[in-house]
Amino acid sequence: EVQLVESGGDLVQPGGSLRLSCAASGFTFSDYFMDWVRQAPGKGLEWVGRNRNKANSYTTEYAASVKGRFTVSRDDSNNSLYLHMNSLKTEDTAVYYCVRGRKGFDSWGQGTLVTVSS
Amino acid sequence: DIQMTQSPSSLSASVGDRVIITCRASQGIGYSLTWFQQKPGKAPKSLIYDASSLQSGVPSRFSGSGSGTDFTLTISSLKPDDFATYYCQQYHNYPYTFGPGTKVDVK
Repeated sequence: EVQLVESGGDLVQPGGSLRLSCAASGFTFSDYFMDWVRQAPGKGLEWVGRNRNKANSYTTEYAASVKGRFTVSRDDSNNSLYLHMNSLKTEDTAVYYCVRGRKGFDSWGQGTLVTVSS
Repeated sequence: DIQMTQSPSSLSASVGDRVIITCRASQGIGYSLTWFQQKPGKAPKSLIYDASSLQSGVPSRFSGSGSGTDFTLTISSLKPDDFATYYCQQYHNYPYTFGPGTKVDVK
């Protein structure tokens, strides 16, 4: 069974940094593209970024709203995906989901809440 | 960026009803469209990918159709478990973009 478990969400001040983690199991993590998607409270879904697999040189893509501030990385040896977030803004407040980028987005974690507030 | 719109934004329906939700892309996206179901406080669940392919384990009362710019999600006979918000998403171009959602509630 595919499992994605996010962690690392917290309350952080504007301008601060945070790293989210996603532990993957139940599939060959290294074979897959992986994504982060977020959802602000009471709002819709927003794609954040993607990390492609080793076969595609671990290249990345980002939404304009986070480009230059967020970095998606992975550690295939630990079946883990990361989201490094810098220069956080109040508008980054959201639940962040780790998603497997296959057949659309076929598997989602339960999400972790990031709150950016002073 | 490709803009995704959905209609209606909400609808009220009864168990057994046929429900149709439409999604439109601001430019052609081929068949690169997926549909999700989301219930309050839960992660989205993938229903359909490549516009019309059913994800494993998803009931056959869900179906998708369309290509290019116009797509539909059909629930052939609404079940109590289907009251939720439905989102479409395109994965033709980066940045991937979602529709604003369609909330299906009880009439």
